[in-house]
Amino acid sequence: QLQLQESDPGLVKPSETLSLTCIVSGDSISSYNFYWGWIRQPPGKGLEWIGSIYFSGSPHSKSSLKSRVTLSVDTSKNQFSLRLSSVTAADTAIYYCARVVAGSYHIDYWGQGVLVTVSS
Amino acid sequence: QSALTQPASVSGSPGQSITISCTGSSSDVGNYNVVSWYQQHPGKAPKVMVYEVTKRPSGVSNRFSGSKSGNTASLTISGLEAEDEADYYCCSYASSNCVFGTGTKVTVL
Repeated sequence: QLQLQESDPGLVKPSETLSLTCIVSGDSISSYNFYWGWIRQPPGKGLEWIGSIYFSGSPHSKSSLKSRVTLSVDTSKNQFSLRLSSVTAADTAIYYCARVVAGSYHIDYWGQGVLVTVSS
Repeated sequence: QSALTQPASVSGSPGQSITISCTGSSSDVGNYNVVSWYQQHPGKAPKVMVYEVTKRPSGVSNRFSGSKSGNTASLTISGLEAEDEADYYCCSYASSNCVFGTGTKVTVL
């Protein structure tokens, strides 16, 4: 059974960089059938797509976040990562990592989510 | 990449059918048959209920069905049950990303 587990950065200060890693277990991240994605959800609000990346690279992110988002993959550790720079309180959210099925572009597995709070 | 538009809330009595709409544009919903629907209970990660507009993953009840017309996709829940009370989100492929809908709270009366 595939499992996705986000790291927990806890509290991040405004203007700093939020860093999250998603450890994938139960299957190899190096599959041509899937992308690896990040989604966030501010407390009490809706879902927001952040971006996704293939195991060989080729990251894509939401246009409004693109200038602040860096996506990467480490196949040797079977994990992928998100870095979001220059954070503000508006970036406070539950961050989910997910597996995205290529072609149909739907999410078939989600991590449990981690609350990241931006505050001084 | 603006969020797709969904009604804020939809309600129905047990056994009834309800439909949730998801309106986008010719750049997303209208241009691709790649719309998925997610159910989210409080405090839980979302779960896919429908993908590629009409397909249901294994294990999802056939009471859930999807459709699309033009720039609007829809999710219908028939034979409403208490466990269907949750938030629902659509997501459409667009420009190598997925655009989520604004979300709909389904209440079972």
